[in-house]
Amino acid sequence: DTEVTQTPKHLVMGMTNKKSLKCEQHMGHRAMYWYKQKAKKPPELMFVYSYEKLSINESVPSRFSPECPNSSLLNLHLHALQPEDSALYLCASSQDTTSGGVSEQFFGPGTRLTVL
Amino acid sequence: QQQVKQSPQSLIVQKGGISIINCAYENTAFDYFPWYQQFPGKGPALLIAIRPDVSEKKEGRFTISFNKSAKQFSLHIMDSQPGDSATYFCAAVKAAGNKLTFGGGTRVLVKP
Repeated sequence: DTEVTQTPKHLVMGMTNKKSLKCEQHMGHRAMYWYKQKAKKPPELMFVYSYEKLSINESVPSRFSPECPNSSLLNLHLHALQPEDSALYLCASSQDTTSGGVSEQFFGPGTRLTVL
Repeated sequence: QQQVKQSPQSLIVQKGGISIINCAYENTAFDYFPWYQQFPGKGPALLIAIRPDVSEKKEGRFTISFNKSAKQFSLHIMDSQPGDSATYFCAAVKAAGNKLTFGGGTRVLVKP
């Protein structure tokens, strides 16, 4: 299985809602990533988890809260978002980030988030 | 500061033609240079990648040319097909932390 799955595919939420995005991989990867992609722009890294520990937070606002319950799952909890947070949220995974070598990142299809 | 610059922003090519996308980087500490292909509504998918000790890599119709001294690399799509119509991102990776730095992207349209 070389697939990263993300749910839901689409999400519409109000600024006072709390919602969560989910990501799952069964490739035995030990690094997982959240990216944000605005239209016609490249993905921007938000968070990196390595061996279920948060290793990189790219100065993301606290209204985005990541969680890695186990090596296969990655969540992104959303609260009090702003309309400018509307974007495609991509999850990716790779073998690891600690071996000193480069590991290919496999991306999921993304969740299209609209904040009203 | 944009560490990887990509051009052109968009490209229209006839079926059977050659698509050429160029990227330039600033940081000599990058260890790996992948190209990603993204279709609308999908996540990016790795297309082809090269390490800086290699000057060219070919996989099917896709070729990366790499010029380490000029800090530039390019993607050539030979015999372009309508199914190649997508957005292409070059990227650069530092092994430490495995962080991807993307270029701005090129939207390629292949006309039948």
